[in-house]
Order: sequence, then C-alpha cells, then structure tokens
Amino acid sequence: DAGITQSPRHKVTETGTPVTLRCHQTENHRYMYWYRQDPGHGLRLIHYSYGVKDTDKGEVSDGYSVSRSKTEDFLLTLESATSSQTSVYFCAISNELNYGYTFGSGTRLTVV
Amino acid sequence: AQSVTQPDIHITVSEGASLELRCNYSYGATPYLFWYVQSPGQGLQLLLKYFSGDTLVQGIKGFEAEFKRSQSSFNLRKPSVHWSDAAEYFCAVGGNAGNMLTFGGGTRLMVKP
Repeated sequence: DAGITQSPRHKVTETGTPVTLRCHQTENHRYMYWYRQDPGHGLRLIHYSYGVKDTDKGEVSDGYSVSRSKTEDFLLTLESATSSQTSVYFCAISNELNYGYTFGSGTRLTVV
Repeated sequence: AQSVTQPDIHITVSEGASLELRCNYSYGATPYLFWYVQSPGQGLQLLLKYFSGDTLVQGIKGFEAEFKRSQSSFNLRKPSVHWSDAAEYFCAVGGNAGNMLTFGGGTRLMVKP
C-alpha cells in the first residue's frame, strides 16, 4: 500500500536462526503494529509502538522483539525462529486523526 | 477484554445475489468498528468504519454495515455481489487513540457465476 512497505516480501529461514522483518512508513503516523495472520485465527497482535522507542507487547509476543528508533521504521525480530512462527506478518500504521489501520502488503515467512 | 466473532468461516453466494456477513463483538465501552477485505496474496483494505452517529454506514465497493448496539453486531451487507467481491473479510473492534484493533477470524466469500 502507498506509504507503507514491508521487506522482505518472502523469506525462508532455518529453525534457530534470527530473522528481522522491516516495516517502513512515509506517512509520519504515530502508531505502528505487527500482526501475524494464520488460518482460523484472523490477525493477532504481536507488538505495537506508540512512538519512537515506545513499544509494548500484544497478544502473541513470546519469541518476538521489536524496535523503533525512527518514526518511519518498525522492526520485528524473531530471536530464534521456530516452525510455529511460520506465518504471514503484517505491519499496520494509524494515527489519532484517521482511526483504522493502513496495512502493508505482508511478509510470508517460512521456518524450515 | 475485547473480542470479535465471525460465525461464518465460508460463505458461497451466486453472482447478483445479496450478501450479509455477520460480526459480533465484545467491548466494554463505545466501540469503533471496522470491516476490512483481503484479496489473495494482498494486504487488508478498509471497507468502512463506524465511530458514532448514524448506525448505517456506507463504504467502498457498494458495501454497507449496520451497527446494532443491542445485539453487539456490525453486519456487512451488499445488495448485489460481483465476482470480484470474492475475498476474505475481517471485522475488527477497537477503542480510542492508539486504537489497537482486535480482529475476527475472517469469513471467506466465494462467488458462483
């Protein structure tokens, strides 16, 4: 989507390796979110950020960490990837003036 | 805790028929409610949202949704479905600024020619 990009779009990695996914926005939105999407579960919140260096855990945060050193970038790290983290990961942004998210196109991660 | 239930995992309708997708929510205050659509391999696109006021809201692509507080529902409707509407639809509920959304499990819509 315009204004928000995720990289990489696809990644295959081995169990036990660290992986970092990047979300970049050009909208200057305050809030950023990482969700994972799995069949039957919809989207579940992993972590979110409400400003630079301000982050908090979501519903399924175990095994994940995040960092936000600049307004435009929100990184999601899988510290030691496991097969249960095979999923599609979506980043989203929002601000107080425009409730509702704008989503990125997603990253499909496969852990083998 | 907030939650969203979409009771129908799959729905199949004929092209030109009407559509209603169900959404029930649980939220402790006045909710903000959303419907998103996801085409295969794509991100989610906002169809419509409800914050306050008129309980019938209009969205893009000819969709509308009605907020019924007494039933804790926010059902999505379309009078005549097109083949291009085949996708997965997600209902979501959230609150104020910060607005962390909780999503339902999704309803996959298939359209028969």
